[in-house]
Amino acid sequence: SQKIEQNSEALNIQEGKTATLTCNYTNYSPAYLQWYRQDPGRGPVFLLLIRENEKEKRKERLKVTFDTTLKQSLFHITASQPADSATYLCALGLNPTGGGNKLTFGTGTQLKVEL
Amino acid sequence: KAGVTQTPRYLIKTRGQQVTLSCSPISGHRSVSWYQQTPGQGLQFLFEYFSETQRNKGNFPGRFSGRQFSNSRSEMNVSTLELGDSALYLCASSLGTDSGNTIYFGEGSWLTVV
Repeated sequence: SQKIEQNSEALNIQEGKTATLTCNYTNYSPAYLQWYRQDPGRGPVFLLLIRENEKEKRKERLKVTFDTTLKQSLFHITASQPADSATYLCALGLNPTGGGNKLTFGTGTQLKVEL
Repeated sequence: KAGVTQTPRYLIKTRGQQVTLSCSPISGHRSVSWYQQTPGQGLQFLFEYFSETQRNKGNFPGRFSGRQFSNSRSEMNVSTLELGDSALYLCASSLGTDSGNTIYFGEGSWLTVV
């Protein structure tokens, strides 16, 4: 069956450390993968997109890797801050035959950055 | 520029009733997608509209329907509401011209069915 798994437990880290979040998937062949941030009661906010032919993407303190052989993406936040505390969602982008957008989301990982 | 606007923000309905939710995408965006978010199932894709046509559909029953107008605004309708339809309904817009276009979500409509 098809599955997308993210760290099921909440992740607590200390300010200044690097947070690493994992997204593993089975029985999907995504064309791309996206990471979103979601705060309580708010809609998800797009962070990064990485395509199937890319290994790594960076944006400021964020880095994402994509290994289509391992079927895994890692999301890193360096020099983490309390303001980074949120739920982080990975989403697989599948290319439907008709084109367009159809994202399949993981269940999310709750990150808490402590002082 | 203005973001994705969803109305109403909160609503309470009774089982068996129907509900219509509205979404105004970012100006210039032609793709509007709808998602349902619940604690148990997470974020699930309902459908996507592009230029007034449904382009993709998720695995939801026919009680869930949508439409898109010529100005790209979209509505989704849920008929014969069930308790399990209680959820955050999210609308997302994008240019829709390329897979991997950045997708922008609205703040959602919280639906409670009693």
